[in-house]
Amino acid sequence: EAGVTQFPSHSVIEKGQTVTLRCDPISGHDNLYWYRRVMGKEIKFLLHFVKESKQDESGMPNNRFLAERTGGTYSTLKVQPAELEDSGVYFCASSRIIATNEKLFFGSGTQLSVL
Amino acid sequence: AQSVTQLDSQVPVFEEAPVELRCNYSSSVSVYLFWYVQYPNQGLQLLLKYLSGSTLVKGINGFEAEFNKSQTSFHLRKPSVHISDTAEYFCAVSPYYNQGGKLIFGQGTELSVKP
Repeated sequence: EAGVTQFPSHSVIEKGQTVTLRCDPISGHDNLYWYRRVMGKEIKFLLHFVKESKQDESGMPNNRFLAERTGGTYSTLKVQPAELEDSGVYFCASSRIIATNEKLFFGSGTQLSVL
Repeated sequence: AQSVTQLDSQVPVFEEAPVELRCNYSSSVSVYLFWYVQYPNQGLQLLLKYLSGSTLVKGINGFEAEFNKSQTSFHLRKPSVHISDTAEYFCAVSPYYNQGGKLIFGQGTELSVKP
């Protein structure tokens, strides 16, 4: 069984440019989460999809971030325009059911560097 | 609100020595507790979790953790580490009332096992 896959693994862009990160969850997992880790700090929740619907987007930093999950399969996270403080590792995770104690399966992350 | 503090950012240890990674949390409501591990170039994996019942929880790869409600701690231990345990370890909590996998993480502890 394939795990959670994220593309690209690394992205280096200049301030003001646009970047799109992609996440392919484990097949059959309705729940998809985005997290972010700014260097040296804790991993922070961004948002949660249940199928194609946004269940919780309370962690999205501002309106420069747009997440989509068309068709309830893969998800994209677009940052437009990117700022220096957006640099960090963006993790995607998925789970089969929606439950507080459910195990999350994480991708290896996208390292985003905004110069 | 909840917060998680991992008391050591880096823990160097020799192979076959015991190790303890410390985690304290703060919450006004009951929470579930988790330890995740990230090996180099991989996604986070669940090591163990405490939901209820016995306060000593056993996880994968010989790790265990003890929940101490009075001290609001959830320290991770292993009696004898291997080189392959070198990784970053994350403590996390999730309030009972959460819908799904919205975790609050600590800052991470880098465990470095030396021969």
